[in-house]
Amino acid sequence: GAGVSQSPRYKVAKRGQDVALRCDPISGHVSLFWYQQALGQGPEFLTYFQNEAQLDKSGLPSDRFFAERPEGSVSTLKIQRTQQEDSAVYLCASSLQRRGFSGNTIYFGEGSWLTVV
Amino acid sequence: GENVEQHPSTLSVQEGDSAVIKCTYSDSASNYFPWYKQELGKGPQLIIDIRSNVGEKKDQRIAVTLNKTAKHFSLHITETQPEDSAVYFCAATSGYSTLTFGKGTMLLVSP
Repeated sequence: GAGVSQSPRYKVAKRGQDVALRCDPISGHVSLFWYQQALGQGPEFLTYFQNEAQLDKSGLPSDRFFAERPEGSVSTLKIQRTQQEDSAVYLCASSLQRRGFSGNTIYFGEGSWLTVV
Repeated sequence: GENVEQHPSTLSVQEGDSAVIKCTYSDSASNYFPWYKQELGKGPQLIIDIRSNVGEKKDQRIAVTLNKTAKHFSLHITETQPEDSAVYFCAATSGYSTLTFGKGTMLLVSP
């Protein structure tokens, strides 16, 4: 597709449920990022992939959060045993070049809105 | 790590006026400064960016200025229109780190 696509757009989960959020980056983009955006806040970094390699997961808030990109294209962010504080918008972003490449524009998807009740 | 401060948190202007949003950053290694516009229910959309080798960049009604010495950059929107109403985020990165965002500015343009 023309842009970064995320699904589902909206997800309501009961506390303790596992959720999986999918990201289809722009075709051919090497870099893929996941961000978490709480209500009224700026996006905060979760994790970074260069192709299929997860090179940075320093922003993942706990071991309940897991991300993968097995074939270097589609990525899934999984949250196990969801808690109310996990309620947020989860944004996926991609860029053509690897992180560190000068002039690397990052494009965001529409986000997956997660509400944990 | 990088820390980005953004002001003001809300900004109300009349249609046709100018709007200015200011950001400061802490990491002197940062060299790329994008601005994103986020409308309700949508993801951030890149509207303009600037790299550390230039001091100013303009695209129609939008301009960004960068003062590396002061670690300060600003977004200027002239002749504002109601459709400019949104939340605007500044961000900074050294390239080898991830984008660090400010907390956002809600811009309201009244007709």
